[in-house]
Amino acid sequence: DVKVTQSSRYLVKRTGEKVFLECVQDMDHENMFWYRQDPGLGLRLIYFSYDVKMKEKGDIPEGYSVSREKKERFSLILESASTNQTSMYLCASWTSGYNEQFFGPGTRLTVL
Amino acid sequence: SQKIEQNSEALNIQEGKTATLTCNYTNYSPAYLQWYRQDPGRGPVFLLLIRENEKEKRKERLKVTFDTTLKQSLFHITASQPADSATYLCALDWETGANNLFFGTGTRLTVIP
Repeated sequence: DVKVTQSSRYLVKRTGEKVFLECVQDMDHENMFWYRQDPGLGLRLIYFSYDVKMKEKGDIPEGYSVSREKKERFSLILESASTNQTSMYLCASWTSGYNEQFFGPGTRLTVL
Repeated sequence: SQKIEQNSEALNIQEGKTATLTCNYTNYSPAYLQWYRQDPGRGPVFLLLIRENEKEKRKERLKVTFDTTLKQSLFHITASQPADSATYLCALDWETGANNLFFGTGTRLTVIP
């Protein structure tokens, strides 16, 4: 079974802090994605990566950056957290041999 | 821009009945459409995929239809059970092979015993 893990289930940070969210997948997938999920807005794509050191902006990249130094790991970085970044963050991975994306359990981030 | 609507935010049905969830989209048809289940506090889990040239797909008690004329997909759960209670998301990919999915906001289904 594909497993996607995220470093924290719950995280509380203060405005202005730098925040790192880590995602690891164990199935050698080329593609990895970061979404945020908010009530009434659904899942929105922040960034994705189709290979090591490659990244592409999604629909809402402002205020975020990403890092993919190793194939299995995709990090989401909030350079200076703000209260409007309070959300559920979901990581996913995909390879062309599958139909679907595989999601991690999510990190619920609260920025105070 | 593309828009996806799941027109029921919440749906309550009696155990044993068939639940029908709707996903509508605008503009041109996607290469394929997927349905996911999401339980509270967890990530979405894939259920079914249907391609633009398919009318219907089944998996156990689940059935998905895809009408490119109406720009609509219907997701059915027959003989529903309380364990089917969850949020169901539709997701569309407009670029074949890229798997860049656009998600609807979801329908929260509650099956009442």
